[in-house]
Amino acid sequence: DAGVTQSPTHLIKTRGQQVTLRCSPKSGHDTVSWYQQALGQGPQFIFQYYEEEERQRGNFPDRFSGHQFPNYSSELNVNALLLGDSALYLCASSNPGTNNEQFFGPGTRLTVL
Amino acid sequence: AQSVAQPEDQVNVAEGNPLTVKCTYSVSGNPYLFWYVQYPNRGLQFLLKYITGDNLVKGSYGFEAEFNKSQTSFHLKKPSALVSDSALYFCAVRDYGQNFVFGPGTRLSVLP
Repeated sequence: DAGVTQSPTHLIKTRGQQVTLRCSPKSGHDTVSWYQQALGQGPQFIFQYYEEEERQRGNFPDRFSGHQFPNYSSELNVNALLLGDSALYLCASSNPGTNNEQFFGPGTRLTVL
Repeated sequence: AQSVAQPEDQVNVAEGNPLTVKCTYSVSGNPYLFWYVQYPNRGLQFLLKYITGDNLVKGSYGFEAEFNKSQTSFHLKKPSALVSDSALYFCAVRDYGQNFVFGPGTRLSVLP
């Protein structure tokens, strides 16, 4: 079992650009959540996808959008990048059947210059 | 709104000594509480959780946590710290959508 995988590992962009981050959930999981972890802070919930729809959203602007594919993998898109978007982006997968635990990927570190 | 506080940014302990990393929470309803650990350039690793039942929860790598409803606390503990326990520790509460509200984190340094 490969666990939760994310790509790319690192990414450098400039202000105003757009970025797409990818996540493959743990085998058997159908729910994907995305978090933003700024340097020195705890992760902040962005949104969650289930059955290819956004089910819940945190306090993030519309520049942050996502998608879930039929194979349960997911993408996080960020438009019009700001310096403040520099962070570690974590993907977590879960299964409503377990109802308790999210498994986290290693993250993608995004640097906006 | 649910929230988690970790009052200590940094905890230093000597190897072999007991360690405690503090966490307090604020929730409406019954709390679902978790501890995660993060090593440098890594994602979060699950340590333990409290859903219901015994107030003392045992988890991975010899860690345990004590749920105290009256004090709204969920402190992480280990009887004997190892240098390899040095990492960033996050307390979290799960909300109704099964997503987590994390505390700001506590950096644990175990000195040899």
